[in-house]
Amino acid sequence: DTGVSQNPRHKITKRGQNVTFRCDPISEHNRLYWYRQTLGQGPEFLTYFQNEAQLEKSRLLSDRFSAERPKGSFSTLEIQRTEQGDSAMYLCASSRSGGGDEQYFGPGTRLTVT
Amino acid sequence: DQQVKQNSPSLSVQEGRISILNCDYTNSMFDYFLWYKKYPAEGPTFLISISSIKDKNEDGRFTVFLNKSAKHLSLHIVPSQPGDSAVYFCAASKKTGANNLFFGTGTRLTVIP
Repeated sequence: DTGVSQNPRHKITKRGQNVTFRCDPISEHNRLYWYRQTLGQGPEFLTYFQNEAQLEKSRLLSDRFSAERPKGSFSTLEIQRTEQGDSAMYLCASSRSGGGDEQYFGPGTRLTVT
Repeated sequence: DQQVKQNSPSLSVQEGRISILNCDYTNSMFDYFLWYKKYPAEGPTFLISISSIKDKNEDGRFTVFLNKSAKHLSLHIVPSQPGDSAVYFCAASKKTGANNLFFGTGTRLTVIP
């Protein structure tokens, strides 16, 4: 059984550098979500894909953030010109379709911007 | 604004007793509710869910109760086991649109052997 996987698990970068994270969802899942979690908070929604189409983006997703899901399978999340405030856990989740289907989360990528 | 609230940051319970975790929400458009469990350095793990057309859903030791009029839900774990010690997140979504989850801030449950 292959669940949701994310790489890398940890990333330390200097302020101003670009970083890219990858998420591989459960294979039969059409929907893929990105969330961000900071200390003491629950995960917050960033964006989601239905197959390869990015259908919604949160206001939390600034212009420095971009996400892709080119073939409707894996997804990447890129942060350009990182800032210290970007330090967080970035979580990916997938689900079969929409309403009523639970989302399954990956282990997350912890980003530290120094 | 926090649309899903977990007002108890922590809870300690003796092994074998009942654990009750509470959650309140403000958005009346939410119609699907979930509980997730999270261990350190791992992503949230789905535990149990409930649709707004129900007021109770049970799965083994876990039962979720929904009171729509009070906009309140609770998770009951009985009997509690040391392995249940984790952070529990309540989440809510709307069945239409993005179905993205709105999470509470979590409750850390400690089950004392």
